[in-house]
Amino acid sequence: DGGITQSPKYLFRKEGQNVTLSCEQNLNHDAMYWYRQDPGQGLRLIYYSQIVNDFQKGDIAEGYSVSREKKESFPLTVTSAQKNPTAFYLCASSGRPGAVAGELFFGEGSRLTVL
Amino acid sequence: ELKVEQNPLFLSMQEGKNYTIYCNYSTTSDRLYWYRQDPGKSLESLFVLLSNGAVKQEGRLMASLDTKARLSTLHITAAVHDLSATYFCAVDIMNRDDKIIFGKGTRLHILP
Repeated sequence: DGGITQSPKYLFRKEGQNVTLSCEQNLNHDAMYWYRQDPGQGLRLIYYSQIVNDFQKGDIAEGYSVSREKKESFPLTVTSAQKNPTAFYLCASSGRPGAVAGELFFGEGSRLTVL
Repeated sequence: ELKVEQNPLFLSMQEGKNYTIYCNYSTTSDRLYWYRQDPGKSLESLFVLLSNGAVKQEGRLMASLDTKARLSTLHITAAVHDLSATYFCAVDIMNRDDKIIFGKGTRLHILP
């Protein structure tokens, strides 16, 4: 079945360590997104990518990095520069950019806790 | 900068009652989406609204879009406990970058 797979589901990290969250989709979608959600809060956009080898910063990109080397994959690295990384991270994808229906399809999320 | 504001942010209501959640946004767009999130879970798509005057209905939920007023509503009819969740609206910025920005969500608690 087509969908979006995020891993790991839960991750613990010590302060000062970089971690990479995986996001893979087999929906043949062009656009992919990373959002952060804090308890009781909405979703804030970290990075997004319309096509392979291109991505843009969202509203809270500081302390994060991404790559888009393949259409199916959009990994997110949470660097040690991110001051408050503990959060729920959601990856999403959508169809062709500018298409009539830009409905997002979400993965199950990755919950990162910094100890 | 695009702002997406939902209200109320928290709503506690009795089963059987009707209520409306509002989503206002600050820039031109005619693509708006509603999502549902259960506690500890990811988001699932409820409605896609793609033009002024669009109305979609699914069960006890109905969503509408007024692009001139930059307003979308999610109406709940005769609420049942299973509808307890957090509801998000999201707006697609219609430019080259195609950014999608979410509101803060409305946490809906339906009392039996």
